[in-house]
Amino acid sequence: EVQLVESGGGLVQPGGSLRLSCAASGFTFSSFSRYNMLWVRQAPGKGLEWVSYIDWTASTTYYAESVRGRFTISRDNAKNSLYLQMSSLRAEDTALYYCASPNTVGATTPDYWGQGTLVTVSS
Amino acid sequence: EIVLTQSPDFQSVAPKETVTITCRASQSIGAALHWYQQKPDQSPKLLIKYASQSFSGVPSRFSGSGSGTDFTLTISSLEAEDAATYYCHQTGSLPWTFGQGTKVEIK
Repeated sequence: EVQLVESGGGLVQPGGSLRLSCAASGFTFSSFSRYNMLWVRQAPGKGLEWVSYIDWTASTTYYAESVRGRFTISRDNAKNSLYLQMSSLRAEDTALYYCASPNTVGATTPDYWGQGTLVTVSS
Repeated sequence: EIVLTQSPDFQSVAPKETVTITCRASQSIGAALHWYQQKPDQSPKLLIKYASQSFSGVPSRFSGSGSGTDFTLTISSLEAEDAATYYCHQTGSLPWTFGQGTKVEIK
């Protein structure tokens, strides 16, 4: 069974930076290195917002307009890990950040989700 | 950006009744529409992908239909454990977007 465990969240001041990590395990038939990955966030009491996507080779990345230029998605396939480097953080970035993966190689849908890591941007 | 509009925002339904949630896209997305269930203090769980494909392990009372701009999630014979917020999500066009959510309460 796929397991995604996020970490790295916390309290940060506006304008600050934070790096989120997601440790992945349990992919069947193929390793983590063959799966595209995503980040999705959810502000307190609000709905879901897609944040970013990275393909399995790390050669293709996409971002929501709200984070483009401030956030960078990356991965280390040797460590089965996904990252989200966040900078120039704003109050509106406060949210629970989920790591998500498809259940099929080559797919782009968030089929499996971690439990999330909370980022709070406040002075 | 494709806007997904769900209706209704809230629905209170008795057990064993049928729930229908609609999701309308502002532009055609083919069948690239997926449905998620989120219970309080839990992460979202995939129910239906590509409009009508049931995800592994999802009870058969959950079904999806539609294509283009109009999609429907149907929960047949509602059970108490189905109390949750349901979201639609499109991956047909970047940026990928979610609907605002539909909260289902059990009467």
